[in-house]
Amino acid sequence: RKEVEQDPGPFNVPEGATVAFNCTYSNSASQSFFWYRQDCRKEPKLLMSVYSSGNEDGRFTAQLNRASQYISLLIRDSKLSDSATYLCVVNRPDSNYQLIWGAGTKLIIKP
Amino acid sequence: NAGVTQTPKFQVLKTGQSMTLQCAQDMNHEYMSWYRQDPGMGLRLIHYSVGAGITDQGEVPNGYNVSRSTTEDFPLRLLSAAPSQTSVYFCASSYGDRGWVGELFFGEGSRLTVL
Repeated sequence: RKEVEQDPGPFNVPEGATVAFNCTYSNSASQSFFWYRQDCRKEPKLLMSVYSSGNEDGRFTAQLNRASQYISLLIRDSKLSDSATYLCVVNRPDSNYQLIWGAGTKLIIKP
Repeated sequence: NAGVTQTPKFQVLKTGQSMTLQCAQDMNHEYMSWYRQDPGMGLRLIHYSVGAGITDQGEVPNGYNVSRSTTEDFPLRLLSAAPSQTSVYFCASSYGDRGWVGELFFGEGSRLTVL
């Protein structure tokens, strides 16, 4: 089993729709969780950190479910500019300085 | 606003050649790291550093060396290039001053092909 798993997609979604995807992680001792966004042939950029209580940033909401060991990302009122690959990131439990990256979920927003 | 600067952006090597990927940041970040990104896989950590003079191995360190003589620079050396090292390499930095990585800031990447 991969340490961090994501559905690779692509998710093809009409503009204005709501889309959600999950990421599962294998080690229950992980403490830090993030969503990064990566545009085609570009570097990853932090989208948001994921806190135990969940967090929201505009149209984006991230949730953590420790019992089932997954994090989720919800995008409301999707825009064409949301088209990207979304990377799930979790810290390696034995090292706060090492992160484990999922392979990403590709999202395509269609007009 | 330079942020994290990587050079070169593209490089083609022959098997057995050596080279150095350069990485510099101007944000006074203590933490710096090198990743490789291959199709269908998550980014994999090669080496990282939590400050000048301190380096440590990540998930896939074999075939790579690093050094951190200054806070700003963190070069990655390929000792004897192999086709399996064909990849996109990213340098990333963060404050790393609270005992954890925090938000990573990435360079634009270096695309390396080994023939």
